[in-house]
Amino acid sequence: AQSVTQPDIHITVSEGASLELRCNYSYGATPYLFWYVQSPGQGLQLLLKYFSGDTLVQGIKGFEAEFKRSQSSFNLRKPSVHWSDAAEYFCAVGQLQGAQKLVFGQGTRLTINP
Amino acid sequence: DAGVIQSPRHEVTEMGQEVTLRCKPISGHDYLFWYRQTMMRGLELLIYFNNNVPIDDSGMPEDRFSAKMPNASFSTLKIQPSEPRDSAVYFCASSRTLTGGTDTQYFGPGTRLTVL
Repeated sequence: AQSVTQPDIHITVSEGASLELRCNYSYGATPYLFWYVQSPGQGLQLLLKYFSGDTLVQGIKGFEAEFKRSQSSFNLRKPSVHWSDAAEYFCAVGQLQGAQKLVFGQGTRLTINP
Repeated sequence: DAGVIQSPRHEVTEMGQEVTLRCKPISGHDYLFWYRQTMMRGLELLIYFNNNVPIDDSGMPEDRFSAKMPNASFSTLKIQPSEPRDSAVYFCASSRTLTGGTDTQYFGPGTRLTVL
């Protein structure tokens, strides 16, 4: 069965510092991988996705993620965070073909210190 | 495009009452998904439709939950009777079929349901 683990429930970083959010997945075939962000009281917004090809994918708001098949990881990074990046971040995995039955991680809450 | 539209945004009801949540997917999308988000269980897929037909409802918690999609632009999720443990945020999402697979799921703003 598919599963996604986000080891860090809560992370605090200072504004301007770099960020890395971890995501590990378990999936028997080639996965579709996603990072979504959820601001308080809002729905989920797609940051980036990986389907195939270049394992380093660029997303919106200056985020990027790297797919590492050998480590079953898809970590999210940003070189310099802004106060507006404070939110909850979800990693998700879906199947390559057919409907996207997404399985989500538990989320990582990001707090930004001024 | 207006995005996925959900109503109401907030719903407070008493135990035993019927609750109906509504969703309008993005025009042209042929997949519609209902999710539930709670602190304890995170985001869970309840049911999804393709071309208005329910494909997988294995995530629906029990018979008190039902979902319908009478046409391509409207879906409902009904809870009858509601219980306090149904309190959660319910999200609707939609996506479209692309050659070789499906597109990204786009989420609505959610309905926060509180059952007293």
